[in-house]
Amino acid sequence: GENVEQHPSTLSVQEGDSAVIKCTYSDSASNYFPWYKQELGKRPQLIIDIRSNVGEKKDQRIAVTLNKTAKHFSLHITETQPEDSAVYFCAASLGFGNEKLTFGTGTRLTIIP
Amino acid sequence: GAGVSQSPSNKVTEKGKDVELRCDPISGHTALYWYRQSLGQGLEFLIYFQGNSAPDKSGLPSDRFSAERTGGSVSTLTIQRTQQEDSAVYLCASSLELAGGYEQYFGPGTRLTVT
Repeated sequence: GENVEQHPSTLSVQEGDSAVIKCTYSDSASNYFPWYKQELGKRPQLIIDIRSNVGEKKDQRIAVTLNKTAKHFSLHITETQPEDSAVYFCAASLGFGNEKLTFGTGTRLTIIP
Repeated sequence: GAGVSQSPSNKVTEKGKDVELRCDPISGHTALYWYRQSLGQGLEFLIYFQGNSAPDKSGLPSDRFSAERTGGSVSTLTIQRTQQEDSAVYLCASSLELAGGYEQYFGPGTRLTVT
């Protein structure tokens, strides 16, 4: 089955700087890659996703890049703010009627004011 | 509209007892998922229901775990003879199966503590 690895497990950056979180996956058939943000004690919420026919996607300060050949994808947060502090999870799924998500182990991002 | 809801929000049970966890998906969502999140860990897939198809049970950790979805809506996850290692937050999610539309919306979870 699919295996998703995520690095780093913790990340601290100065407010205003950029943060990058990286994930690799094992199943070349995976075609959907979402990123979820989970604040302490709250439910995971989708912040951005990308499908295999796209190499990059941006939404304001957040971007995701996908390299299907290397089987890795990354989350980029620019101009970080204190409210970006949370745990971020990457995930992968096969799609096409098999949408169960395999999650990475999470990255605890701390923004230092 | 209303999001995914789960009940109870917290459940404390004694080892060996059975528990039932409930999930109400977003109205009209055809797919429903159960995940488990242990303290400080990622989310582990348990089971997936899609329309009238047979559920994907490949993530259930043992035969003590089972789930059903009645009428294509509400789902119940049952854990029999609970053990301490079952302690975790159980999260339900639902999604609308549109072409290219895979976003899963999560409920608030049920925190299960087995003593």
